[in-house]
Amino acid sequence: AQSVTQLGSHVSVSEGALVLLRCNYSSSVPPYLFWYVQYPNQGLQLLLKYTSAATLVKGINGFEAEFKKSETSFHLTKPSAHMSDAAEYFCAVTLNQAGTALIFGKGTTLSVSS
Amino acid sequence: SQTIHQWPATLVQPVGSPLSLECTVEGTSNPNLYWYRQAAGRGLQLLFYSIGIDQISSEVPQNLSASRPQDRQFILSSKKLLLSDSGFYLCAWGSGRGANVLTFGAGSRLTVL
Repeated sequence: AQSVTQLGSHVSVSEGALVLLRCNYSSSVPPYLFWYVQYPNQGLQLLLKYTSAATLVKGINGFEAEFKKSETSFHLTKPSAHMSDAAEYFCAVTLNQAGTALIFGKGTTLSVSS
Repeated sequence: SQTIHQWPATLVQPVGSPLSLECTVEGTSNPNLYWYRQAAGRGLQLLFYSIGIDQISSEVPQNLSASRPQDRQFILSSKKLLLSDSGFYLCAWGSGRGANVLTFGAGSRLTVL
């Protein structure tokens, strides 16, 4: 079965600093990988997705992630943090098989200080 | 365009009372539908998913049940709520094809007292 592990439940950065949120996956077959963001008391919004095309994926709000098969990683980065990036971020994995559900990591809360 | 509606947005219920959370999707047909629960510090837990009417898979044994009476309607229920049922419940839909990107509803916050 597939799974994801997000390293670090809380990450704090200063405004303008690099954002790095870590995600490692486990899957017996090539996976599809996703990053979602959740603002307080809201649903989840898709940031970006990896579907076996380019390994460097660009998403909304200046975020990007790189799929590294050798490291089984899909870390999320943003060169310069903004106050509005403060939220909870979830990494998720699924397979290209009918009926396969999306499995989420436990989430990482990003705090941005001025 | 497709939209997903989830209600009620917030709910406070006593222990032992019943529960019904409803989710509907517009603008698509035969979607895959999902119920997730988010408890503090525990991420998102998949509760149920459905690939068609009356086709529902349960991921974890619990005090909850799900039904799909119509193609684009997904209902989460309980006959008797427990304190541990408190949490943020999220409904989502996906096409079930390709990358199966999920689109989420705004969520329902349940507090059981």
